[in-house]
Parts: sequence; structure tokens; C-alpha cells
Amino acid sequence: QKEVEQDPGPLSVPEGAIVSLNCTYSNSAFQYFMWYRQYSRKGPELLMYTYSSGNKEDGRFTAQVDKSSKYISLFIRDSQPSDSATYLCAMTLTGNQFYFGTGTSLTVIP
Amino acid sequence: NAGVTQTPKFRILKIGQSMTLQCTQDMNHNYMYWYRQDPGMGLKLIYYSVGAGITDKGEVPNGYNVSRSTTEDFPLRLELAAPSQTSVYFCASSYSGQPDQPQHFGDGTRLSIL
Repeated sequence: QKEVEQDPGPLSVPEGAIVSLNCTYSNSAFQYFMWYRQYSRKGPELLMYTYSSGNKEDGRFTAQVDKSSKYISLFIRDSQPSDSATYLCAMTLTGNQFYFGTGTSLTVIP
Repeated sequence: NAGVTQTPKFRILKIGQSMTLQCTQDMNHNYMYWYRQDPGMGLKLIYYSVGAGITDKGEVPNGYNVSRSTTEDFPLRLELAAPSQTSVYFCASSYSGQPDQPQHFGDGTRLSIL
């Protein structure tokens, strides 16, 4: 069983739509959860970081963690063409080793 | 401000050849990481370093070696290239390794072994 499972998509939405991206994980000890955005031919960049359960909001982005279900989500409101990228979830227990999902490819159509 | 710089950007190797992927960061970060990214597999940690002179294995270290003689540089060595090592390699760094400290990634080295 993979440590982290993520639907690879691809996901295609019209501009202005609400996007929901999700990951599940198997290790209940994970405490730290991250979402990275990766544009084509570029390295990932950190988008959101959450510790333990709960919600975190940053502008149009909201990250949710449900540790009881081992499920994390990223919501993008009022999606823009510039949001078109691959979104990777990641999680860690200690910070030395991070476990990444396979990434979900998102296209926002103008 | 260059951040994390990886060279080369692209390389084609023959089976059995060796090469070194270079990684340099100018942010005075203590922690550095090497990942490989394969289609449908996500990022896998190869090796990491918590400071000069200290390295440790990640999830997929076989076939690779690393060294960390300075804070800035963290080269990854492939001794006997195999087709299974065809991948995109990313180097990353962070200040403390704590989960709330973001990892800064380079733009990757695309390596094909034929």
C-alpha cells in the first residue's frame, strides 16, 4: 500500500470554478501536511502548510486535514488560468523524510 | 537571488556510464535533499543531508551516492547508469528541516539512460 494516494486527474475546469483536490494516506502518525504547486518543467513550490487537523485559509486557497479519515483536501476558489499546474500533496512525521502524492494535473480554461 | 541551482538541465547517458548531478544553494540552508520524480510515482527521496559532512539514505538510495563537503553544494553521483534511473531529478533545500520550513526546489535535471 502506498503511503500517499492522490488521483492523478487530469482535471479540467472553467475559469471561476471551485476546485477540490484530495489525498488519502495510510500512516496515522503523519502530523504535517503540505500542498505544492508544480508548473511544467519547474520544481515544486510550497503553496500551503497545515499542522494536524483543521482548516487553513490563504487567499483563494483553503487546506483541510481530517486525521480521523486520513484525508486531506485543497480547495481553490475563483480558479484562474494561472492556477493551471500539477498539485502535489506531501506529508511528514519528522521533517527529515517527506512523502509525496503522485500529483493532480489541473487545467483552468479561460 | 538564485535559490537552488541544478546542472545540467538535460543529459543522455549510455548504460554503464557514470555522471554527477550538481546542486548548489545560496540561501545558507542546512538541509538538502535529492528526489527523483517518475510519471505516476510522485517524488521519491533518494538521499538527504542535515549539514556539511552528514548524509543519510532516503527511500530509494540504491545506485546513487552523495557527498556534502560544503553547506552550499550537494552533488548526486550515479556510478553505473541503468535504464531504471531514467527520471527527473530534483534537488531541494530547507533552513532547518522542520516541517514548517518550506523546501525550495531547483528546476530539475532530466536524465535519460539508453
